[in-house]
Amino acid sequence: KAGVTQTPRYLIKTRGQQVTLSCSPISGHRSVSWYQQTPGQGLQFLFEYFSETQRNKGNFPGRFSGRQFSNSRSEMNVSTLELGDSALYLCASSLGERNQPQHFGDGTRLSIL
Amino acid sequence: GQQLNQSPQSMFIQEGEDVSMNCTSSSIFNTWLWYKQDPGEGPVLLIALYKAGELTSNGRLTAQFGITRKDSFLNISASIPSDVGIYFCAGTTSGTYKYIFGTGTRLKVLA
Repeated sequence: KAGVTQTPRYLIKTRGQQVTLSCSPISGHRSVSWYQQTPGQGLQFLFEYFSETQRNKGNFPGRFSGRQFSNSRSEMNVSTLELGDSALYLCASSLGERNQPQHFGDGTRLSIL
Repeated sequence: GQQLNQSPQSMFIQEGEDVSMNCTSSSIFNTWLWYKQDPGEGPVLLIALYKAGELTSNGRLTAQFGITRKDSFLNISASIPSDVGIYFCAGTTSGTYKYIFGTGTRLKVLA
């Protein structure tokens, strides 16, 4: 069974640009959550999508947005990139019911120059 | 954002030793998860716990859901070099689909 797939694995951007990251969940999983991981802040929750609707949202500015498609694949967009956006962005999928465990992809490493 | 208190933050141990780490929360949790993350990879689910007092093993790993429902413990027996990595706990409370993550325990094993 294929795991969670994130593309691309690495990205280098400059300040002010925008970026789109992609996540394909495990087959049958309807929930996709996005996290930002940095050495100092650990895993910070960005948002969660279920059945194409944002169901939960973390405390990130509006520059961070996402969407989910009918096949459960999800994209995350960051506009007007800042140096502090450099991080590992992880997505996790689950069946979507309460208490179902999340399974992570290997992440996209975003570096802002 | 809200996070769990996970301890210790890091530890060096000798190969063959047993390891213990824990997570505590100010909230009552319905589910506890334990993950391991290797460098350059995403966290991998090790153990999932669903009720107070539950004790679950996965090979040399054993995790427990605390009786108070505000804590969880992970033990690794007879550690080996490939146990090196960062271990995260995560929990979810009643009425939410969102998981809160601990700050991680970095484990280093000396051969």
